Amino acid sequence: QSALTQPPSASGSPGQSVTISCTGTSGDVGEYDYVSWYQQHPDQAPKLIIYEVTKRPSGVPDRFSGSKSGNTASLTVSGLQAEDEADYYCSSYAGTNTFVFGTGTKVAVL
Amino acid sequence: QLQLQESGPGLVKPSQTLSLTCAVSGASIRSDTYYWSWIRQHPGKGLEWIGHIFNSGSTYYNPSLRSRATISVDSSRDQFSLELTSVTAADTAVYYCASRGFPYKYYFDFWGQGTQVTVSA
Repeated sequence: QSALTQPPSASGSPGQSVTISCTGTSGDVGEYDYVSWYQQHPDQAPKLIIYEVTKRPSGVPDRFSGSKSGNTASLTVSGLQAEDEADYYCSSYAGTNTFVFGTGTKVAVL
Repeated sequence: QLQLQESGPGLVKPSQTLSLTCAVSGASIRSDTYYWSWIRQHPGKGLEWIGHIFNSGSTYYNPSLRSRATISVDSSRDQFSLELTSVTAADTAVYYCASRGFPYKYYFDFWGQGTQVTVSA
C-alpha cells in the first residue's frame, strides 16, 4: 500500500486558480470514487474539504472543487485567497476497509 | 457535533509500547454509525492511516503496521485506544484520532487536535 503521489508544492496569486494532482493506482483512486481532500494549516488538524471526489461538506466554499480521471484525482482552488495557504492531502479508499493518503502539497499564495 | 481528544505520554522509549487514548463526546462510542480511527503524521511529512475499529469489535489496520498495532474500545469511558508495540524513532509522529461515518462514508470528517509522540531514550 503506497502513498498517493502529489506534487510537493503549488502556488498562485490571489484571485488565480491552482490545481493539485493526486496519483494512485487501479487499486485505489482508479477503482473507487472515494477520494477525499483535506486542508491543514500549520499546527492544526486536517480538515475535510472534499469527499467522494466532488462533494463539499457544509461550510466549505465552492471555490474548492474536485475531479477524477483514471488513476488521478485533482483538487482545484479557484479565486485563491490568503487563507487558502496551507498543506493539502488527498486520500482514497483502497479496498478491504483500508485507506491511503497522499504525500501532501504545500500551496503558497504569492 | 462530534468531538475527539487524544491523550497519552509524549515520550516513549525505544522498544517499548506506545499507548494513546481518544475521548469521544457528542456520540456514544458504542454507536454503529462510526468507525473510530487513528492516523499519524511524521515530522514534516504526510498523513498515514493506522487503522480503525467499528462497533467495539471489528478492526482494520494498515498492512505495514498490522503486526504492531492494536485498536480497542473502552465503552464504559466512551474512549478508544491505540497500542503500538516495539516502537522505534520511526514512530515519532503526531497521532490523530478521527471518525469515519458508517455506512458508505469513506472519509474522515471529525478529527482530534493531535498529540505529539517522540520515541527516544
